[in-house]
Amino acid sequence: GAGVSQTPSNKVTEKGKYVELRCDPISGHTALYWYRQSLGQGPEFLIYFQGTGAADDSGLPNDRFFAVRPEGSVSTLKIQRTERGDSAVYLCASSFSGGLNTEAFFGQGTRLTVV
Amino acid sequence: GENVEQHPSTLSVQEGDSAVIKCTYSDSASNYFPWYKQELGKRPQLIIDIRSNVGEKKDQRIAVTLNKTAKHFSLHITETQPEDSAVYFCAAAKPTGNQFYFGTGTSLTVIP
Repeated sequence: GAGVSQTPSNKVTEKGKYVELRCDPISGHTALYWYRQSLGQGPEFLIYFQGTGAADDSGLPNDRFFAVRPEGSVSTLKIQRTERGDSAVYLCASSFSGGLNTEAFFGQGTRLTVV
Repeated sequence: GENVEQHPSTLSVQEGDSAVIKCTYSDSASNYFPWYKQELGKRPQLIIDIRSNVGEKKDQRIAVTLNKTAKHFSLHITETQPEDSAVYFCAAAKPTGNQFYFGTGTSLTVIP
């Protein structure tokens, strides 16, 4: 595709439910990032993949959050037992090599609302 | 870690005037500083970036300056236009790290 694609664009779920958010990075990009953006704030780092492996998951807030990238392309962010505080826009970004001197391209995000 | 602070949080300018947004960072190891523009409901898009081996970079009406000693960098937009209205985020990254550290954003409004 032409850019980073995230689905769904909006997700409303009840407290306690499980959700999956999907990211399709730009073809050929080996690095993939997940960020979370709360209203009026800058994006906050969650996890970074280089290829299939999670090279850095230090930003995941707790063990309810998990992400996978089994084939080094599409990634899924999984949130168990959702809480109202999880409500935010979840952004995915990809870059060609993962070196931080290369541009990261963002998707439009998934707006998650936990009610 | 790294702490990036951004000011002001909101900025209104008249069309044609200049706008300046300032950021500071805490970790002297940071060496890459991108700026992102995010229009309402849209994805952040890179508008300009600077690396620590240069002090200034310009691209048409947009320029960024970097002062490594003081650990601050600024975005300058000249001859502002209504379509420049958006939220702007600065960020910093370290060569050994795996993430961008973002500022809290500046909401720029250009008044026609």
